Amino acid sequence: GENVEQHPSTLSVQEGDSAVIKCTYSDSASNYFPWYKQELGKRPQLIIDIRSNVGEKKDQRIAVTLNKTAKHFSLHITETQPEDSAVYFCAAGDGFNKFYFGSGTKLNVKP
Amino acid sequence: SAVISQKPSRDICQRGTSLTIQCQVDSQVTMMFWYRQQPGQSLTLIATANQGSEATYESGFVIDKFPISRPNLTFSTLTVSNMSPEDSSIYLCSVGGISYNEQFFGPGTRLTVL
Repeated sequence: GENVEQHPSTLSVQEGDSAVIKCTYSDSASNYFPWYKQELGKRPQLIIDIRSNVGEKKDQRIAVTLNKTAKHFSLHITETQPEDSAVYFCAAGDGFNKFYFGSGTKLNVKP
Repeated sequence: SAVISQKPSRDICQRGTSLTIQCQVDSQVTMMFWYRQQPGQSLTLIATANQGSEATYESGFVIDKFPISRPNLTFSTLTVSNMSPEDSSIYLCSVGGISYNEQFFGPGTRLTVL
């Protein structure tokens, strides 16, 4: 089955700096890679996703890159703000909607 | 995206008992899933709830422990049977979105087993 690894487990940045979270996956059949943000006590919220036919996608301060050959994808947050502090999860999915999640990254943005 | 509700939002149960969690969606959805999130951990897929047929379980999860019903396209239940403290987790349902592959999560059920 699919194995998704995520690094780092914790990330602390100064407000205004950039944050990068990296994930690798093992199953070449995976073709959809979402990122979720989970604030304490709340449900995971989809923040951005990328499909296997695209190498990069950007939405305001958030961008995701995908390297299918190397089987890795990354989340980039620019100009970080304190409200970006949360746990971020990457996931890899196949055409049947089954998702396998990474272990999560706790991002702390210091004001 | 669909509006998803879960009942109960939280519960405290005694070991050896069972709890049934309900997931209700405000529109018909093809795909519904159940996840477990243990304290401070990631999300682990338990099973895919199939409408009109038996659920499809992931490795490490079995029907006797986590029976699932999916009577229609807007509703599903997950039962946690013969509970032990190790079952203390947040249980979340998720549904597929309109766009291919998207999934959206319910608010979760926080279960504590004493």
